[in-house]
Amino acid sequence: EAQVTQNPRYLITVTGKKLTVTCSQNMNHEYMSWYRQDPGLGLRQIYYSMNVEVTDKGDVPEGYKVSRKEKRNFPLILESPSPNQTSLYFCASSFVTNNSPLHFGNGTRLTVT
Amino acid sequence: AQSVTQLDSQVPVFEEAPVELRCNYSSSVSVYLFWYVQYPNQGLQLLLKYLSGSTLVKGINGFEAEFNKSQTSFHLRKPSVHISDTAEYFCAAAAQGGSEKLVFGKGTKLTVNP
Repeated sequence: EAQVTQNPRYLITVTGKKLTVTCSQNMNHEYMSWYRQDPGLGLRQIYYSMNVEVTDKGDVPEGYKVSRKEKRNFPLILESPSPNQTSLYFCASSFVTNNSPLHFGNGTRLTVT
Repeated sequence: AQSVTQLDSQVPVFEEAPVELRCNYSSSVSVYLFWYVQYPNQGLQLLLKYLSGSTLVKGINGFEAEFNKSQTSFHLRKPSVHISDTAEYFCAAAAQGGSEKLVFGKGTKLTVNP
């Protein structure tokens, strides 16, 4: 089944403790992206990648890192999480052309205390 | 760059009533347009898309949308909603021929009441 898999679904952590949210897709998509969703703000893009070893900042990249060593994986790294990073995170992927719709994972709800 | 405005943040309706969720976009170039739906505790999934051709686009679950270039709108409609249509709906746009990906609206929460 074609899908984008994120793990974990729920994560509670403390300020400053490094964490990684994994994302994997099995559709051979070149493009992958991370979003955060907050009430009243909709979806905001954190980072995206057009292909292996190519990553770029989105609208809200501060406090996040990503890597794209393999085509299928695009982990999101928070090296020193803070409470303002408490949010619902989504990974998405698509073919690189602009008319290709995004496929989303089921989300990771992160709480930083 | 594009921008997308969803005019209503919340839309409550009764079951079997018609519904229209409004979306307007702004862009200096032609765009592709999408509607996504997010059911509770799930990711977003594609409802329908307009790439070219007929301005009336039909999607899943009985939804349709009409592209209106002169009004720069892409409103989503369903003639008769069900309780199961309760979800958040996102409109999105991408520039044709550009390298930027989708720009999303802030979403409209549709609540269908019995």
